[in-house]
Amino acid sequence: GENVEQHPSTLSVQEGDSAVIKCTYSDSASNYFPWYKQELGKGPQLIIDIRSNVGEKKDQRIAVTLNKTAKHFSLHITETQPEDSAVYFCAASLMDSNYQLIWGAGTKLIIKP
Amino acid sequence: ETGVTQTPRHLVMGMTNKKSLKCEQHLGHNAMYWYKQSAKKPLELMFVYSLEERVENNSVPSRFSPECPNSSHLFLHLHTLQPEDSALYLCASSQDRFDRLNTEAFFGQGTRLTVV
Repeated sequence: GENVEQHPSTLSVQEGDSAVIKCTYSDSASNYFPWYKQELGKGPQLIIDIRSNVGEKKDQRIAVTLNKTAKHFSLHITETQPEDSAVYFCAASLMDSNYQLIWGAGTKLIIKP
Repeated sequence: ETGVTQTPRHLVMGMTNKKSLKCEQHLGHNAMYWYKQSAKKPLELMFVYSLEERVENNSVPSRFSPECPNSSHLFLHLHTLQPEDSALYLCASSQDRFDRLNTEAFFGQGTRLTVV
């Protein structure tokens, strides 16, 4: 079955610097990769996603890159701000199947002022 | 707010108690999910309902019993739980179970469950 590994488990960066979180997946047939952000006391919320027919997607300060050959995808946050502090989860899914998201274990991102 | 509301926010129960978690969405979604979230572990999908029919049960112990009376409401009935069941229980909904275009899952804030 599908397995998703996420690294690092905790990431601390200076405000204004960039943050990168990486995930690897095992099922080469996976074709949908969302990223969710979970703030304290809230449920996860989708921030960006990518499908396997593209290599990169950007939305303002966040971007996701996908390397299908290596089976990994990454979340990039530039010009980090205090409100970026949260736990970020990656996931992978095979959209042609039962659309079950397989989740990474999460990365706690800490933005230092 | 995501449009998915869970109650209660916090619940402490003894191992012999019976309690229920409630989830409500008015987004017009047809699929609803229960997840278990434990510290530093991936989200664990427990149950999936599509159009009020249970379509997935990921080997969850029978002490957890879901109920979906209509497309807007989802319950998780709890009975004789164990301390290791303590976790954050998240409800989510999405447009449809197999919708390739509307793939976003909307989560509630969760119920923090402590079993003593």
